[in-house]
Order: sequence, then C-alpha cells, then structure tokens
Amino acid sequence: NAGVTQTPKFRVLKTGQSMTLLCAQDMNHEYMYWYRQDPGMGLRLIHYSVGEGTTAKGEVPDGYNVSRLKKQNFLLGLESAAPSQTSVYFCASSYPDRNYGYTFGSGTRLTVV
Amino acid sequence: AQKVTQAQTEISVVEKEDVTLDCVYETRDTTYYLFWYKQPPSGELVFLIRRNSFDEQNEISGRYSWNFQKSTSSFNFTITASQVVDSAVYFCALSEAYPGGGADGLTFGKGTHLIIQP
Repeated sequence: NAGVTQTPKFRVLKTGQSMTLLCAQDMNHEYMYWYRQDPGMGLRLIHYSVGEGTTAKGEVPDGYNVSRLKKQNFLLGLESAAPSQTSVYFCASSYPDRNYGYTFGSGTRLTVV
Repeated sequence: AQKVTQAQTEISVVEKEDVTLDCVYETRDTTYYLFWYKQPPSGELVFLIRRNSFDEQNEISGRYSWNFQKSTSSFNFTITASQVVDSAVYFCALSEAYPGGGADGLTFGKGTHLIIQP
C-alpha cells in the first residue's frame, strides 16, 4: 500500500547507544517531517526537509540529526541516546501545497533505559 | 509563531451523548490550514478533516461536524450520538502557508482524550 513506512516499530536502547530511524514514502512527496509524541504534549516537530539534500530544525531538534539523501527517505539519528528521548516518533510527508494534507507513518515506540 | 490550544485535557461522556471538542488557534498568517486527527488506542494518526482559512463553511460528515469561526480563531469538533469506538485522543493542528515555498509542518495542540462510556 502507498504511504509512509517507519522502521523499526519498537526499539529499546541503553543510554549512550546510537540508532537510526528510517522513514520511507512512495508518494513522491517533497516535504518530510519527524515528530515526537510525549504524554500530554501533543506532537512536536524535531526536523523537517523540503527536498532531497535539505534539512531544517524544528521545535525540539537537540540530540537528533537527520539526513535526506534520497527523496523518498528521511532518516532520524540519535547519536547518544538519553532517557529523555523515550518517546513515540512519527514521520510524515506532504506535497508543497498543504491543501493535499499530510500522510503519517504508524510510529516508532522508542524506550531508552 | 503559531499556537494551537486544546483546553480540554480529558472528556468523559456516556454513549449516545453529543460532545464538542474545542480548538483555539493563533497565527499571523492570513492563509493557513486547520486539521483534526484521531489517535485511537492502537496509536496511529487518522486524518479527519482539513480546512483552509478562506473556507468558513461548517462541515458535516456523518456523526462528525466541524465549526470554523475566524472571528474567534476556533475550529471546534462535534460528535453527535457518540459511540464507544469514538474513544480516542483527538488532535487539532495548524499549518501555515508559504507562497514562496518551504514548510515547517503542523503545529499540534496537546490533544483531548475522549472517553465514551457504554
């Protein structure tokens, strides 16, 4: 099915470990986003990309890095995981015309112990 | 900067009651988009509606209806004859438009947890 695919769906990390979350979309969307969802906080934007090779910081970028080497993929990296990064991470994509809306992945539940 | 406020953290009603979820937004843009998403216990985000700032018509979709009022910067969501399956967290979100391109995504409210009791 067309859409946004996130891998992995679940992961437990130890403090200080690193990992990469992968987001892949097959809708030829220009824009891609990474959000984190914490209880009572809604979803907050971590980083976003408006096209291949470009990235920008969102509301809560500290502790994360991203890359968009291919249009269809948007990677979120944690170089040294901290317990404060325990969260549910959502990837989304959209066309430049926001009238077409946003498509979200199913989320990645990350626990840092 | 834009902001979305959902003042109701949790609402609990008995099945078949009507319930309204409030959403108030702040933006300096004249062109923007408002959204509602549903997040059931399974965790995925389900798109419900998108409305642009130039369309103040209310919308009805089955038991769901939305009331957009620019004068009060509100985009409220009403469920008529609620059902247990409506139990979920509901998010209101705002997206500003950039005519020259670029995007900074959606700004979400903190969500309203709706509990429908049988």
